Amino acid sequence: GAVVSQHPSWVICKSGTSVKIECRSLDFQATTMFWYRQFPKQSLMLMATSNEGSKATYEQGVEKDKFLINHASLTLSTLTVTSAHPEDSSFYICSAREVDWPDTQYFGPGTRLTVL
Amino acid sequence: KQEVTQIPAALSVPEGENLVLNCSFTDSAIYNLQWFRQDPGKGLTSLLLIQSSQREQTSGRLNASLDKSSGRSTLYIAASQPGDSATYLCAVRVPQGGSEKLVFGKGTKLTVNP
Repeated sequence: GAVVSQHPSWVICKSGTSVKIECRSLDFQATTMFWYRQFPKQSLMLMATSNEGSKATYEQGVEKDKFLINHASLTLSTLTVTSAHPEDSSFYICSAREVDWPDTQYFGPGTRLTVL
Repeated sequence: KQEVTQIPAALSVPEGENLVLNCSFTDSAIYNLQWFRQDPGKGLTSLLLIQSSQREQTSGRLNASLDKSSGRSTLYIAASQPGDSATYLCAVRVPQGGSEKLVFGKGTKLTVNP
């Protein structure tokens, strides 16, 4: 089956630093990738949708200058949390949609971000 | 605004029991509904997807039903096993602008005791 990987699986950083999270579709091409954030005991909340080669579409309330998304190829999207603060600590999950199967989203294993 | 609610928030059962997880959504304008499994600290695994025109889907010991008009779905797990212990998430795919997105519930945390 289709596999989506994320790197790193966890990261601890100091407040004020920037952190980059990679999301890769390993065996399929993904024209669309999604970034979600999940706080403990809460739903996955969609942060943004990115289409290869174009700007990401951010959900209401998500700061586009703080959460930079780049989807430069059909197999790679990156999320950069700029000037991270403790309130950004969360579980970030990416998802990729295969070109030929628009109903199906494959989810990555997630990245646990802890900002000290 | 679409909202998805899952009841109960947590459920503990002895091994071998049949059980039902519930999901409700406020707006019936959905493309499909999906049930996912999430293990602690992990990503999501898709279990079943029901298109808006369908009433149910089955996979092994899992059966999911959909009543779009009443905004409800159930996930039935037969003969539960300790390996079924996980959080089960319900999500509906809804239109958004010229695209669509998934809206998730908070999940039901299932514990199956040996």
